[in-house]
Amino acid sequence: DAKTTQPPSMDCAEGRAANLPCNHSTISGNEYVYWYRQIHSQGPQYIIHGLKNNETNEMASLIITEDRKSSTLILPHATLRDTAVYYCIVRRSTGTASKLTFGTGTRLQVTL
Amino acid sequence: DTAVSQTPKYLVTQMGNDKSIKCEQNLGHDTMYWYKQDSKKFLKIMFSYNNKELIINETVPNRFSPKSPDKAHLNLHINSLELGDSAVYFCASSGGPRNEQFFGPGTRLTVL
Repeated sequence: DAKTTQPPSMDCAEGRAANLPCNHSTISGNEYVYWYRQIHSQGPQYIIHGLKNNETNEMASLIITEDRKSSTLILPHATLRDTAVYYCIVRRSTGTASKLTFGTGTRLQVTL
Repeated sequence: DTAVSQTPKYLVTQMGNDKSIKCEQNLGHDTMYWYKQDSKKFLKIMFSYNNKELIINETVPNRFSPKSPDKAHLNLHINSLELGDSAVYFCASSGGPRNEQFFGPGTRLTVL
């Protein structure tokens, strides 16, 4: 699976948009970009994923560049409860299982 | 209803002991996983089972033996516990059209 690079930490004011970047320059054509987050040592939580089109769900938006070498997770109106470590993961399905290779992630701190 | 549950939540034991952690999912998924998160917060996959069959084994010492009595359960048995086994162990399951992984709350193992 391709390696990802994320900034180690970011701050965001509550109510503002949080834009979390991720570089995955060695991504292959059949690899997806997944985002998970981990709130204070709880189990990681799925946020969103995409292949090449931009995606939006109730939690976030995912913007993938045309060359697919980078992406940005957008939390449109960050709240204090969004404080967590955010992981960008690139993976392809390996048959019936698809392991997630977690990096060091970005620690997002949302402040008042 | 808890989707992925683990017991116990905390486990403190002496070096050399044998212990088990249990995991159950009620999502009807076919695939289950064990991940280990060490003190530096790196989250790494250990095993994956699909329909009770082992399909991923990530160079884990053979003191660790996963057991899947049915596809809703994946237990982790650890023999001869060592100090370095101290970590948080997360169980997960995956399935459905998004193939996202749902994580349990974790079991914090402390070996003294």
